[in-house]
Amino acid sequence: KAGVTQTPRYLIKTRGQQVTLSCSPISGHRSVSWYQQTPGQGLQFLFEYFSETQRNKGNFPGRFSGRQFSNSRSEMNVSTLELGDSALYLCASSFSGSAFNEQFFGPGTRLTVL
Amino acid sequence: DQQVKQNSPSLSVQEGRISILNCDYTNSMFDYFLWYKKYPAEGPTFLISISSIKDKNEDGRFTVFLNKSAKHLSLHIVPSQPGDSAVYFCAASALSGNYKLTFGKGTLLTVNP
Repeated sequence: KAGVTQTPRYLIKTRGQQVTLSCSPISGHRSVSWYQQTPGQGLQFLFEYFSETQRNKGNFPGRFSGRQFSNSRSEMNVSTLELGDSALYLCASSFSGSAFNEQFFGPGTRLTVL
Repeated sequence: DQQVKQNSPSLSVQEGRISILNCDYTNSMFDYFLWYKKYPAEGPTFLISISSIKDKNEDGRFTVFLNKSAKHLSLHIVPSQPGDSAVYFCAASALSGNYKLTFGKGTLLTVNP
């Protein structure tokens, strides 16, 4: 069974640009969550999608948005990039999104904002 | 406001000894706790979990202890192996309709041969 895939793996952008990251969950998983990992803050929850609906959202500004498609693939978008957005962005998929269902993480997308 | 705290950024132990990683939480609504392990250039992988109705859960070399009154949990690895060297994240969830995991900042464990 293929794992969670994230593309691209690495990305370099400049301030003010926008970026779109993609996540393909494990086949059969309908929940996709996104996290931001930075050295100072650890993993911080961005949002979670299930069946194309956002069910929960973390404390991030509106520049961070996401969506999920009917095949459960998910994208997140960051507009008007700031230096502080440099981070590893991780997505995780699970069958239902409940903490009882193990979340499987992808390898992440390393975003660098110059 | 850091609701899940891992106060030790790093821990170094000798191979064969016990590793104890600690985690504290402040939100009394949390009722499910998990530990994840992360190697460089990889995503975190699930290790072990515990529900608030238990105070101990064991899986091979890994045991998680939960002290609800102290809002404290710990992960014990016995015996520690060099392959256990990784960053360990503690995470918590409030199961009542919340599909969000709150993570600590992680502890880097180094097991020396």
